[in-house]
Amino acid sequence: GAGVSQSPSNKVTEKGKDVELRCDPISGHTALYWYRQSLGQGLEFLIYFQGNSAPDKSGLPSDRFSAERTGGSVSTLTIQRTQQEDSAVYLCASSFSGQGSYGYTFGSGTRLTVV
Amino acid sequence: GENVEQHPSTLSVQEGDSAVIKCTYSDSASNYFPWYKQELGKGPQLIIDIRSNVGEKKDQRIAVTLNKTAKHFSLHITETQPEDSAVYFCAARAPSGNTPLVFGKGTRLSVIA
Repeated sequence: GAGVSQSPSNKVTEKGKDVELRCDPISGHTALYWYRQSLGQGLEFLIYFQGNSAPDKSGLPSDRFSAERTGGSVSTLTIQRTQQEDSAVYLCASSFSGQGSYGYTFGSGTRLTVV
Repeated sequence: GENVEQHPSTLSVQEGDSAVIKCTYSDSASNYFPWYKQELGKGPQLIIDIRSNVGEKKDQRIAVTLNKTAKHFSLHITETQPEDSAVYFCAARAPSGNTPLVFGKGTRLSVIA
């Protein structure tokens, strides 16, 4: 597609439920990133995929968070046993290369609300 | 690791005036400094970036300056227009390995007509 596509755009879930957020990056982009944006806060790095390399999971806040990227394309971020503090906008971005200096293209995000 | 500080957190200017947003970074090895604009309900969009081998870059009404010695960089918007109202984020990235961008906390710019 022309841009980074994220789904759903909005998700309301009950505390304790699991959720899956999807990201479809720009075709040909080898790097994919997940960030979290809490209300009034900056962008918090979560996880990064680059080609076939092992992902950089250093930003994941707890073991309830996990992500995978299948076939070097679509990525799914999973949050298990959601808590109210997980409420935020989850942003996905892709870039041409993880190395070097290339700007990211962000999707519009998934707004997650845990009630 | 890298830490990026951004100021001010909010900024209001009259239409036609200039706006300046400043960022500092901690890792002297960082060599890439992009700026993103985020409009309501949308993801951040890259508006300009600068690499450490240059001190200034311009693109129409926007410009970015970099002072490597002081480890700070700034975004300048001239002749501001209402459509410039948005949240602006600076970011920095070190060249080692595959480190992701580290973002500042953002500046909410309001251009008053």
